[in-house]
Amino acid sequence: EAQVTQNPRYLITVTGKKLTVTCSQNMNHEYMSWYRQDPGLGLRQIYYSMNVEVTDKGDVPEGYKVSRKEKRNFPLILESPSPNQTSLYFCASSLLGGITNTEAFFGQGTRLTVV
Amino acid sequence: GDSVTQMEGPVTLSEEACLTINCTYTATGYPSLFWYVQYPGEGLQLLLKATKADDKGSNKGFEATYRKETTSFHLEKGSVQVSDSAVYFCALKDYGQNFVFGPGTRLSVLP
Repeated sequence: EAQVTQNPRYLITVTGKKLTVTCSQNMNHEYMSWYRQDPGLGLRQIYYSMNVEVTDKGDVPEGYKVSRKEKRNFPLILESPSPNQTSLYFCASSLLGGITNTEAFFGQGTRLTVV
Repeated sequence: GDSVTQMEGPVTLSEEACLTINCTYTATGYPSLFWYVQYPGEGLQLLLKATKADDKGSNKGFEATYRKETTSFHLEKGSVQVSDSAVYFCALKDYGQNFVFGPGTRLSVLP
């Protein structure tokens, strides 16, 4: 089954303790992206990647890191989490290849709480 | 840069009422346009899409027409059901292949 898998689904952590949220897709998509969703603020893009070893900042990259060493994986790293990073996070992926009509596929989300 | 604007709601309707959620965009060139739906506790899933001017996307009774002259992609449904209660996101995919999402519109349908 074609899917985007995020882990963990729920995470409670303490301020300053490094964490990684994993994202994996099995559709051979070039494009992957991370978003955070907060009440009243909609979806905000954190980082995105057009291919292996190619990453770009989105609208709210501060406090986050990403890496794209393999095509299928795009982990989100919070090296020193703070309470303002408490949010619902989504990973998405899509085909590229010079056409714009291919949609993004989303994971189920990771609810992160930083205390 | 590219942007998507949509009515933020919340929108509350009675069952069988007509729905319109407005969406307008700003982009260079000819982006593809999408509507996504997020049901409670779930991720976003594609509802419908359109790739060029005057295209109409449709799914589950929802429709939206790509209007280049007004840079709009309004979502419509003739008769909503309680099961349509969700958050709806308008989005575009630009020539740089990145996605831009609107702020989302929460719809509540009452029986």
